[in-house]
Amino acid sequence: RKEVEQDPGPFNVPEGATVAFNCTYSNSASQSFFWYRQDCRKEPKLLMSVYSSGNEDGRFTAQLNRASQYISLLIRDSKLSDSATYLCVVSAPLSGNTPLVFGKGTRLSVIA
Amino acid sequence: DVKVTQSSRYLVKRTGEKVFLECVQDMDHENMFWYRQDPGLGLRLIYFSYDVKMKEKGDIPEGYSVSREKKERFSLILESASTNQTSMYLCASSLPSTVNTEAFFGQGTRLTVV
Repeated sequence: RKEVEQDPGPFNVPEGATVAFNCTYSNSASQSFFWYRQDCRKEPKLLMSVYSSGNEDGRFTAQLNRASQYISLLIRDSKLSDSATYLCVVSAPLSGNTPLVFGKGTRLSVIA
Repeated sequence: DVKVTQSSRYLVKRTGEKVFLECVQDMDHENMFWYRQDPGLGLRLIYFSYDVKMKEKGDIPEGYSVSREKKERFSLILESASTNQTSMYLCASSLPSTVNTEAFFGQGTRLTVV
């Protein structure tokens, strides 16, 4: 089983739609969770961290379910500018220093 | 503004050449990482370093080595470039691992080995 798994998409949604991405991770000892956004031919950038209690940032909501080892990202009222690849990222414990483990990403296209 | 800078955006090298990819960060971060990104395979960790002169192998270290002589600089070395090392290479840095520590990425180096 891969460490971090995501549906690669693409998700093609109209402007204004609500879209949800899911991600599962295999290492139950993982401590930190993130969603990164990567635009075409650009570097990944942090979109938001994911906290145990769930967190919201404007139109974006992230949830963590430790029991099911599952992370989600919900985007409400999609904009054209939300078109990008969304990477689920997990910190995998390794001798006290924990490089980030990336999912392969889910591609989103928001269509006018 | 935080910054991770990679020395080249695009690079073309011949098979068998020794290739150096340089990465510099100005945030005084302890951790630095080298990833490669390929279509359908996502980001894969090559090497990382959590201190000067320290290095740890990632998932795909074969054919690569690294050097961290100064805190701000982390170099990736392809000892003898091969065509299967054609890829996008991304450097990143972060503070020591604590809960929810963000990694900052450089703009990437697209390497083509011919």
